[in-house]
Amino acid sequence: DAKTTQPPSMDCAEGRAANLPCNHSTISGNEYVYWYRQIHSQGPQYIIHGLKNNETNEMASLIITEDRKSSTLILPHATLRDTAVYYCIVRVQQGAQKLVFGQGTRLTINP
Amino acid sequence: DAGITQSPRHKVTETGTPVTLRCHQTENHRYMYWYRQDPGHGLRLIHYSYGVKDTDKGEVSDGYSVSRSKTEDFLLTLESATSSQTSVYFCAISLDGNYGYTFGSGTRLTVV
Repeated sequence: DAKTTQPPSMDCAEGRAANLPCNHSTISGNEYVYWYRQIHSQGPQYIIHGLKNNETNEMASLIITEDRKSSTLILPHATLRDTAVYYCIVRVQQGAQKLVFGQGTRLTINP
Repeated sequence: DAGITQSPRHKVTETGTPVTLRCHQTENHRYMYWYRQDPGHGLRLIHYSYGVKDTDKGEVSDGYSVSRSKTEDFLLTLESATSSQTSVYFCAISLDGNYGYTFGSGTRLTVV
């Protein structure tokens, strides 16, 4: 699976949009981009995933660049409860492929 | 998370004793996973299962064994616990291994 690079930490004001970048310059054509987050002491939580089109769900939006070498997770109106570690993962969408977690970005939402 | 339960939630055990952690799901998902999480290492896969009696090793499988005799239960056993196995253990399930994994609340294991 391709390697991802994320900033170790970010801050965002409550109510503003939080934009979390991820670099995956070695991504291959059949690899998807997944985002998970882990709120302190809890198990990771699935947020969203995509291949090449932008995706949106009730939690977030995922913007993937046209060359697919990077992506941005957008939390449109961040709340204090969005404070967590966010993981960007790239993997082939095959059943036997496992999720491999990196170090992620520690996002702190400030009041 | 609804549909996946880990037990026990906390356990303290002595070095050299066997320990079994249980992951139970009510979702009838095919795939089940055991991860451990340690400071500085993040989440690392120990073992996973892709069906009843079908299991495989992850990146940190030494010292651990697993069993899955029925769809809903995935057991992780430390045959002889060591202090290096002190960690938080997370179980995860996935319907087909492709989309979102659902993680349990974790088991905090301390080996003294």
